[in-house]
Amino acid sequence: DQQVKQNSPSLSVQEGRISILNCDYTNSMFDYFLWYKKYPAEGPTFLISISSIKDKNEDGRFTVFLNKSAKHLSLHIVPSQPGDSAVYFCAAGRSGNQFYFGTGTSLTVIP
Amino acid sequence: DTAVSQTPKYLVTQMGNDKSIKCEQNLGHDTMYWYKQDSKKFLKIMFSYNNKELIINETVPNRFSPKSPDKAHLNLHINSLELGDSAVYFCASSQVLQANYGYTFGSGTRLTVV
Repeated sequence: DQQVKQNSPSLSVQEGRISILNCDYTNSMFDYFLWYKKYPAEGPTFLISISSIKDKNEDGRFTVFLNKSAKHLSLHIVPSQPGDSAVYFCAAGRSGNQFYFGTGTSLTVIP
Repeated sequence: DTAVSQTPKYLVTQMGNDKSIKCEQNLGHDTMYWYKQDSKKFLKIMFSYNNKELIINETVPNRFSPKSPDKAHLNLHINSLELGDSAVYFCASSQVLQANYGYTFGSGTRLTVV
């Protein structure tokens, strides 16, 4: 039973443009959401998070938006750079409990 | 000075064998996890230990047994390996109460059962 879904397995974006990665979750009790970035042959690394009391969190080129009523979050990368090419995992859960991960979206930024 | 280190990185073994994967973290975290990433790319939690005590045990065959000798180590032992156990296994750690930083993952162990 998938509690977190990333419906786009891959995304290609031109360098300098915006990348938008989407994620949906099913459990309305989830109050913390994270994005991880994964390069080949490495473990996922934490990128950015948002709690349910906010609808937006920004860190440099990365912004995460949360729409609680739609149970949807998105990660925006502006401007996209070739080094951003990686697999991005979305995770959601309740603080102090385990997180559930999506299946990832493979982002390719074309120079 | 890797934060979460797991060994080996690659493991190829025959069906029926018993193998172990080791994990160590030097972050002072009180919780450690094992995740499995299967061929469909799901990252699914298998086990979670908090201060050497098992707190999450998802529906995993009994052939998988975690061992936590201390809060910095969480090893995974697998008995009677099957073809379907082939996957990438990730160890992770966290401070449970600091959810905003999520987990720190190891680089993964690619297990191939032949």
